[in-house]
Amino acid sequence: EPEVTQTPSHQVTQMGQEVILRCVPISNHLYFYWYRQILGQKVEFLVSFYNNEISEKSEIFDDQFSVERPDGSNFTLKIRSTKLEDSAMYFCASRGGLAGEQYFGPGTRLTVT
Amino acid sequence: KQEVTQIPAALSVPEGENLVLNCSFTDSAIYNLQWFRQDPGKGLTSLLLIQSSQREQTSGRLNASLDKSSGRSTLYIAASQPGDSATYLCAVSPSGAGSYQLTFGKGTKLSVIP
Repeated sequence: EPEVTQTPSHQVTQMGQEVILRCVPISNHLYFYWYRQILGQKVEFLVSFYNNEISEKSEIFDDQFSVERPDGSNFTLKIRSTKLEDSAMYFCASRGGLAGEQYFGPGTRLTVT
Repeated sequence: KQEVTQIPAALSVPEGENLVLNCSFTDSAIYNLQWFRQDPGKGLTSLLLIQSSQREQTSGRLNASLDKSSGRSTLYIAASQPGDSATYLCAVSPSGAGSYQLTFGKGTKLSVIP
């Protein structure tokens, strides 16, 4: 069964460093998302991506964040200068059509020290 | 702004019992509602998707209902098993133009005791 994959599973970085989180969505899906979950809190929407551009973003997704689909398979989230409060589990999701389910990857646990 | 609430926050039941998890949302203008399962430290597994025009969906021992006008959904689990122990999340996507991003509740942590 097709699935969303994410790498790395765990990333430790120092405050102020740049990180890139990688995702491979399900191959025929058109809509891509990043969410995050701070420990003990709700899953929160960050950004959605369709037709090679951002379609919506939340107030969390400030200038420190960017997304890219560099080729036909990968979808990346970059955090330019990490802060302690960026420590969270980051989930990538994809969806085939408007009425479809969102399928989530296993997540990348980001720890900023 | 859409708010999703799940009650109870935690639930412990003996194996074999039927149970109901509740989800409520403040804005009834939704496109669809999705139930997920999350195991500790893991990703989200989609269980059921209900479109706004539907009243319920079934998958195996799971049945989800939707009452859009009152802003409520329930997830019914029949004949619970220890393997059902996990956190169950409810999420809604908004209707209208947009990317249909999900707004999540905090979840109900279910423990099924053998």
